[in-house]
Amino acid sequence: AQSVTQLGSHVSVSEGALVLLRCNYSSSVPPYLFWYVQYPNQGLQLLLKYTSAATLVKGINGFEAEFKKSETSFHLTKPSAHMSDAAEYFCAVSGGGSYIPTFGRGTSLIVHP
Amino acid sequence: DGGITQSPKYLFRKEGQNVTLSCEQNLNHDAMYWYRQDPGQGLRLIYYSQIVNDFQKGDIAEGYSVSREKKESFPLTVTSAQKNPTAFYLCASSPTGGAIPNTQYFGPGTRLTVL
Repeated sequence: AQSVTQLGSHVSVSEGALVLLRCNYSSSVPPYLFWYVQYPNQGLQLLLKYTSAATLVKGINGFEAEFKKSETSFHLTKPSAHMSDAAEYFCAVSGGGSYIPTFGRGTSLIVHP
Repeated sequence: DGGITQSPKYLFRKEGQNVTLSCEQNLNHDAMYWYRQDPGQGLRLIYYSQIVNDFQKGDIAEGYSVSREKKESFPLTVTSAQKNPTAFYLCASSPTGGAIPNTQYFGPGTRLTVL
C-alpha cells in the first residue's frame, strides 16, 4: 500500500520568501512521485514528477523538488514566492504496477504582500 | 486545443434526484478517472476506466455509477443512494502503457450542491 503525508494544511509566506511544502511518502516499491497545483475552482495541473532519472526535479513556475530516499521525502521548494503562487498543492505517489496515484490531503499556500 | 471538458461548472439538485456529470476528452487517452474532492481531504477515487466498455470501482464508489461507451466520454451519475453528494468532482485522463506511471490531465471540475 502507498500513502502520502503532507505536513501542514496551510503554509503562509511573504512575497519574495522561500516556499517549502513538505511531502513524505510510504511505499513498499520504488515510488514515482508527483506534485500538482490547483488554483481556486479549477482542476489540477502537473508541476513536476520524479521518475528515478534524477533526484532533483525541476518543474514549471520555478518550483523544484528533491527526492530523498533515506528520509522518504519529496519536498517542494521555490526560492522566492510570488503572489500568483497562492494555490492548493498536492503531492501524489504511484508505483509497483499501479498507475493510479494516491494523493495527499493538500497544502494551501498563502502568499502575503 | 486538446484537453478535458466538464459540464456544467456548477450544478444544483434536490435531494433524492439522480444527476449526471459530463466529462469529455480529446487527448486520445485510454484511461479516465473520476475523483471527489472535499475540503481538507484531498482527492478520493470514485471510478476509473482503462479502456472502452470497462471500468473499475475506486475507493468510494458507493452511490455512484459510470459508463464508458466511447473513448472520449466518461460520464458520472450521482444517485440518490449517495449519502452526502455535495462536493467538487474532478475528471482526469491519462495515457496507459509504459513502465512509468503517466501524468494525469484534469478537467476544470463540477461543483455539485444538493439542496
